[in-house]
Amino acid sequence: SQTIHQWPATLVQPVGSPLSLECTVEGTSNPNLYWYRQAAGRGLQLLFYSVGIGQISSEVPQNLSASRPQDRQFILSSKKLLLSDSGFYLCAWTRGVTDTQYFGPGTRLTVL
Amino acid sequence: AQTVTQSQPEMSVQEAETVTLSCTYDTSESNYYLFWYKQPPSRQMILVIRQEAYKQQNATENRFSVNFQKAAKSFSLKISDSQLGDTAMYFCASSTEYGNKLVFGAGTILRVKS
Repeated sequence: SQTIHQWPATLVQPVGSPLSLECTVEGTSNPNLYWYRQAAGRGLQLLFYSVGIGQISSEVPQNLSASRPQDRQFILSSKKLLLSDSGFYLCAWTRGVTDTQYFGPGTRLTVL
Repeated sequence: AQTVTQSQPEMSVQEAETVTLSCTYDTSESNYYLFWYKQPPSRQMILVIRQEAYKQQNATENRFSVNFQKAAKSFSLKISDSQLGDTAMYFCASSTEYGNKLVFGAGTILRVKS
């Protein structure tokens, strides 16, 4: 069976510091991978998605970036965090574009 | 562009009763997929049910069923025999066959009371 992991689970960072969130999927190969952000009490906003190694599509221009160095690894990064980057970050995967997206446990990021 | 609208910010239901959560969507695609996800206090997003637009039969999963009205672009979720563990935020979402994107509604908080 497939499993999706995210870490860290919780992160508190000062404004201006760098960020690296990691997502990995087990039990499948060549998944489509997604990063979402959820502000408090709100719906999910798609940030990035990837259909293969090194292939990243950005949905929202901002100070975040994503990378996919390995088939089942997806990383969300920032060089300098803003207060507005606070939120709950969710990673998801699918086998194909018409398949259901399955989500990881999420990372709660607080920028102070 | 796809849009998904959930007009009920909060709802409550007594344990063992039935509740219906509303969702409307808009898309210009001919084939698309609709989902209901549940987000309990742990904030893990859990798939509740999935409907393929080309299938006329409403999807069901145990106590969860949908009322899919394609012409009206409506996709409501019915929860029968509500349980305390059903307390969560429920999100309606849609995706298209080639869009590779999942668009979410704003969510409905459901509270099941004992």
